[in-house]
Amino acid sequence: DVKVTQSSRYLVKRTGEKVFLECVQDMDHENMFWYRQDPGLGLRLIYFSYDVKMKEKGDIPEGYSVSREKKERFSLILESASTNQTSMYLCASSLGWGSGANVLTFGAGSRLTVL
Amino acid sequence: GQNIDQPTEMTATEGAIVQINCTYQTSGFNGLFWYQQHAGEAPTFLSYNVLDGLEEKGRFSSFLSRSKGYSYLLLKELQMKDSASYLCAAMDSNYQLIWGAGTKLIIKP
Repeated sequence: DVKVTQSSRYLVKRTGEKVFLECVQDMDHENMFWYRQDPGLGLRLIYFSYDVKMKEKGDIPEGYSVSREKKERFSLILESASTNQTSMYLCASSLGWGSGANVLTFGAGSRLTVL
Repeated sequence: GQNIDQPTEMTATEGAIVQINCTYQTSGFNGLFWYQQHAGEAPTFLSYNVLDGLEEKGRFSSFLSRSKGYSYLLLKELQMKDSASYLCAAMDSNYQLIWGAGTKLIIKP
């Protein structure tokens, strides 16, 4: 089974702190994604990456950056956390593009609270 | 604009059948996904439809009508463990997913 592992399930940070969320997948997937999930809203894409060192902005990239130095690892960085970034963050990966390859495998999520 | 609509919450009885509807508007179309998400857990893949018609997978089936921009997920012989949120997502011409807000399904004994 493909596994996507997120390093922290729960984090509490203070406004202005730098926050790192780590995600690792173990099945050689090309694509990796970071979403946030808030009550009453659909999943919103923050950033995605289709190759090592490649990144693309999603729908809500402001206040976030990402890093993909190795194929299996995709990190989300909040340079200066703010209270409106309190959310559940979900990492996902997919094999590639095209029919069937687009199926996402998600990590368990990282619930971030910014005080 | 692009959007997806699905009901916020549905209630059904154990052993019964429930149909969760999803309508979508996207720029181009490359398929419709359904995911299941139990409370506090990651979404898991249920189905993918790209052609019109019904796809059956055990107790779960998914239907797509591209001309109507409509899909449904049908769950038969409901079990308590089916209590979860069901997420509908449509893929546009750029292979980007547009997500619905999810339907919370409550199963009562």
